[in-house]
Amino acid sequence: DAKTTQPPSMDCAEGRAANLPCNHSTISGNEYVYWYRQIHSQGPQYIIHGLKNNETNEMASLIITEDRKSSTLILPHATLRDTAVYYCIVPQYNNNDMRFGAGTRLTVKP
Amino acid sequence: NAGVTQTPKFQVLKTGQSMTLQCAQDMNHEYMSWYRQDPGMGLRLIHYSVGAGITDQGEVPNGYNVSRSTTEDFPLRLLSAAPSQTSVYFCASSYGNRPGGIQYFGAGTRLSVL
Repeated sequence: DAKTTQPPSMDCAEGRAANLPCNHSTISGNEYVYWYRQIHSQGPQYIIHGLKNNETNEMASLIITEDRKSSTLILPHATLRDTAVYYCIVPQYNNNDMRFGAGTRLTVKP
Repeated sequence: NAGVTQTPKFQVLKTGQSMTLQCAQDMNHEYMSWYRQDPGMGLRLIHYSVGAGITDQGEVPNGYNVSRSTTEDFPLRLLSAAPSQTSVYFCASSYGNRPGGIQYFGAGTRLSVL
């Protein structure tokens, strides 16, 4: 099972890049890495996903190491509105497992 | 485009009562799921469905039932509410018939069982 490990909390200064790490050392070759965030008590919101190549969209960038055992979500210019809990997930297709874990609580400070 | 709609937004039950949490999506997604989130914790998968007529258990299914008679609707039933079921419940849907994919979440139902 590709369990993920994330730091429980991180701080970031407003306007600076926020780099959120995730360890998924048991990931299989065909398993994707997904990132979601949850602001306050709202429903989680999809951010980005990737398999092996780095990905970028209007919200963030995803850097996946060559061995795919870890990844980093980058918010290039964090704002106060980016304060949220960020979840790194590796869906388990063989047993339909989609567990979110505790995530990383990112606090963006002025 | 409403996305995923959950009703009610808030509910208070007494121990032993039953109720149904409603979830509807208008994106023609095959995969739908229910999660619960306890204070300070991540989401835990209760039940999921890969299409109409097909449901299966997730990580914490005890005390809950689901059915999927249409693609759009995926109700979650609490058979006999217990205080341990006090939580926030989220419904999600995604394209395809397996987990993963981009999941769209509802706003949640906040349930208190007294």
